[in-house]
Amino acid sequence: AQRVTQPEKLLSVFKGAPVELKCNYSYSGSPELFWYVQYSRQRLQLLLRHISRESIKGFTADLNKGETSFHLKKPFAQEEDSAMYYCAPVDTGRRALTFGSGTRLQVQP
Amino acid sequence: NAGVTQTPKFRVLKTGQSMTLLCAQDMNHEYMYWYRQDPGMGLRLIHYSVGEGTTAKGEVPDGYNVSRLKKQNFLLGLESAAPSQTSVYFCASSQTVYTEAFFGQGTRLTVV
Repeated sequence: AQRVTQPEKLLSVFKGAPVELKCNYSYSGSPELFWYVQYSRQRLQLLLRHISRESIKGFTADLNKGETSFHLKKPFAQEEDSAMYYCAPVDTGRRALTFGSGTRLQVQP
Repeated sequence: NAGVTQTPKFRVLKTGQSMTLLCAQDMNHEYMYWYRQDPGMGLRLIHYSVGEGTTAKGEVPDGYNVSRLKKQNFLLGLESAAPSQTSVYFCASSQTVYTEAFFGQGTRLTVV
């Protein structure tokens, strides 16, 4: 079965520290992967997608097919990065967007 | 530009009651989804639709039914609510499965 795992429920860092939010998948073939973010009292929104290979708000994510990972990284965390982050692969079998269990990032001053 | 609108925002149901959640999008998107969000479990896909008149089961479809009679609307029904269906429900839409999904503001449902 296709699965996505976000092993950390909570990640707490200090402002200015590097951040890495982990995402591992067990999908076959070449999956399409996204990161979505939910800030407090806001709607879930797209952060970035692996096919565009762009950097949004200083975040990047590289698809590592060998390790089947799509970790989200930022070199210097800001307090406004505090939010819930979801790794979201496309379930090619169902042709639907699915989500991991999420990681809450807390950036302390 | 409204985007994706969910109705209602909050609801309390008694066990056994029925209700329908409405999702409306004004972006002419083909794909629409219903998810439930529970603590520690992220978003789980309930049902989805790849176009008007089509629906399909997601990861957790039991106890729910859906309809997509009009392209802009996706209805989620609970025929006989159970306490296990207490959750926050999110609707989303996208043009294709590979493009950005836009989300509604969520519906907080409590079944007592």
